[in-house]
Amino acid sequence: ELKVEQNPLFLSMQEGKNYTIYCNYSTTSDRLYWYRQDPGKSLESLFVLLSNGAVKQEGRLMASLDTKARLSTLHITAAVHDLSATYFCAVDPSPSGGSNYKLTFGKGTLLTVNP
Amino acid sequence: NAGVMQNPRHLVRRRGQEARLRCSPMKGHSHVYWYRQLPEEGLKFMVYLQKENIIDESGMPKERFSAEFPKEGPSILRIQQVVRGDSAAYFCASSPFQGGRNTIYFGEGSWLTVV
Repeated sequence: ELKVEQNPLFLSMQEGKNYTIYCNYSTTSDRLYWYRQDPGKSLESLFVLLSNGAVKQEGRLMASLDTKARLSTLHITAAVHDLSATYFCAVDPSPSGGSNYKLTFGKGTLLTVNP
Repeated sequence: NAGVMQNPRHLVRRRGQEARLRCSPMKGHSHVYWYRQLPEEGLKFMVYLQKENIIDESGMPKERFSAEFPKEGPSILRIQQVVRGDSAAYFCASSPFQGGRNTIYFGEGSWLTVV
């Protein structure tokens, strides 16, 4: 059974600081997704990482994927309050070209950015 | 362009009652997926449907849960004789195609509370 572990699960940081959220997974996959969820809201797709070494950046967030290490990181640069949310990584364990729906999610990282 | 629409957003049921959750996919999407998010957990895949067909129900509990996506109308997730452990957020997602690198889009969820 595929396991996806995120850490930390809770992250409280000050505005302006940098931090990294880690996502480890237990089986081979070359597709990993990062989502953001605000309280009571849906999941917003942030990044789709589709190959080893993939790096994507959007604003203050940068995500990377190392399929050999089975590790993805979500790096936050100069955090601002608006980034406060829960961040999930999700892994698609099916072979490339296969399913894109049977995602296995981590438990999420609750990020709180304090002024 | 409306996103994935779910209703009701919040539902309270007493133990033993039935819960029906509805999902209308994004326009042009014919693939629907249901996920469940238990408290402090990541989302877990339940079922994948196309119009009038259940494609993959490997994540559905064996009893009391059923799903359909009729030719006309929304997809419905039905939970019979609800128990406290069914309290969760139920997310519907949709995509225009299945497989490959297509992102799936999530609705805002239906929060079920069983009292």
